[in-house]
Amino acid sequence: EVQLVESGGGLVQPGRALRLSCVASGFTFSSYRMTWVRRVPGEGLVWVSYINTDVTSTNYADSVKGRFTISRDNAKNMLYLQMNSLRAEDTAVYYCARDSGNGLDIWGQGTMVTVSS
Amino acid sequence: QSVLTQPPAASGTPGQRVTISCSGSTSNIGRQTVDWYQQSPGAAPKLLMYGNTQRPSGVPDRFSGSKSGTSVSLAISGLQPEDEADYYCAAWDVSLNGWVFGGGTKLTVL
Repeated sequence: EVQLVESGGGLVQPGRALRLSCVASGFTFSSYRMTWVRRVPGEGLVWVSYINTDVTSTNYADSVKGRFTISRDNAKNMLYLQMNSLRAEDTAVYYCARDSGNGLDIWGQGTMVTVSS
Repeated sequence: QSVLTQPPAASGTPGQRVTISCSGSTSNIGRQTVDWYQQSPGAAPKLLMYGNTQRPSGVPDRFSGSKSGTSVSLAISGLQPEDEADYYCAAWDVSLNGWVFGGGTKLTVL
């Protein structure tokens, strides 16, 4: 079965760090660009970051640039999002998604990140 | 403030046809194809339409898409109770070099 499973979310204080993980299975992970998208409670979906297949290209939304770092380990079928200097406005459900070239066609179930003191 | 603009809400009764609009600019919808996502309460988003008009396997043909210039529309015909969800348009933005989403439209089946 083709699937993505996120982990690593939780409650964290403002200014602290958290690393999200996403494990892929059922497809050739190294062949796909990957993306992180978040949904703030009560609001809509917002793109966070992407990484291409061989890690030569990444980009971030302005709201997280300089604080978040996306990475991947193709040998382990893993995608990561290192989140530093977290703010209350980073509170959201974070989804990893596969970019097939025809949309974000596979999504994980999401992991909740709550930034609060 | 989302880059793509959608109406916040839409509604219809079972069997009706409903249309959801999405407008953008020349840096996204104007030069890129648009995808649509459906998110039911408590679930992950699901790809509903890609390439403006293409349905992934398993998506019923009640769902259709269209595009004109910097705007797109998603039409749902024969509305069913299970269609009640949030719908998002999305496109690659060449200026931002990233995905942009609409603010989402909450569809209520009355």
